[in-house]
Amino acid sequence: EVQLVQSGAEVKKPGESLRISCKGSGYRFPFYWISWVRQMPGKGLEWMGRIDPGDSDTNYSPSFQGDVTISVDKSISTAFLQWSSLKASDTAMYYCARQDDTSMDIWGQGTLVTVSS
Amino acid sequence: QSALTQPPSASGSPGQSVTISCTGTSSDVGGYNYVSWYQQHPGKAPKLMIYEVSKRPSGVPDRFSGSKSGNTASLTVSGLQAEDEADYYCVSYAGRNNYVFGPGTKVTVL
Repeated sequence: EVQLVQSGAEVKKPGESLRISCKGSGYRFPFYWISWVRQMPGKGLEWMGRIDPGDSDTNYSPSFQGDVTISVDKSISTAFLQWSSLKASDTAMYYCARQDDTSMDIWGQGTLVTVSS
Repeated sequence: QSALTQPPSASGSPGQSVTISCTGTSSDVGGYNYVSWYQQHPGKAPKLMIYEVSKRPSGVPDRFSGSKSGNTASLTVSGLQAEDEADYYCVSYAGRNNYVFGPGTKVTVL
């Protein structure tokens, strides 16, 4: 079965760092981009950026450039989304998705990140 | 603020059809045939329903169809069923390795 499994929910304080993960299985992981999508509470979906697991080439949405870092370890078929200093406004559900040039066809279950003092 | 525009809501009775629009510009929707549509039920991950404007992934009912004219893409759900009640989002490639989501449309089955 083709699937993406994300790491569990996180509760952090402002200023803390965080890395969440997305592990692919059931397909050739290096052959598809992995995208990250944010959904703030009660709001819509926002494309954050993507990474090519084959060569770690990364594209960021201008809205998220500089705020987060997307990385990958293809030896364990896992992509990561990382913050160096969280803000309360980073509170959201984060989804990873398998992406080719045209669409995101497989989605992870989501990771809820809560940032609160 | 989304670069794409969708109506906030749409509704129809069971068996009827509903069409959702997704309006962009010649730099995104109008410039590429890379429009996709996603269904999201409350508390669930999104699901791909349409890709490349009008193609359906395996397993998606043929009640779902997509089209595009100029800078506006559309998703039509025919023969509405209760389980079609959900939020629907369009996505378009916007050039320069960037993708944009629409703000979403809540579909209600009356």
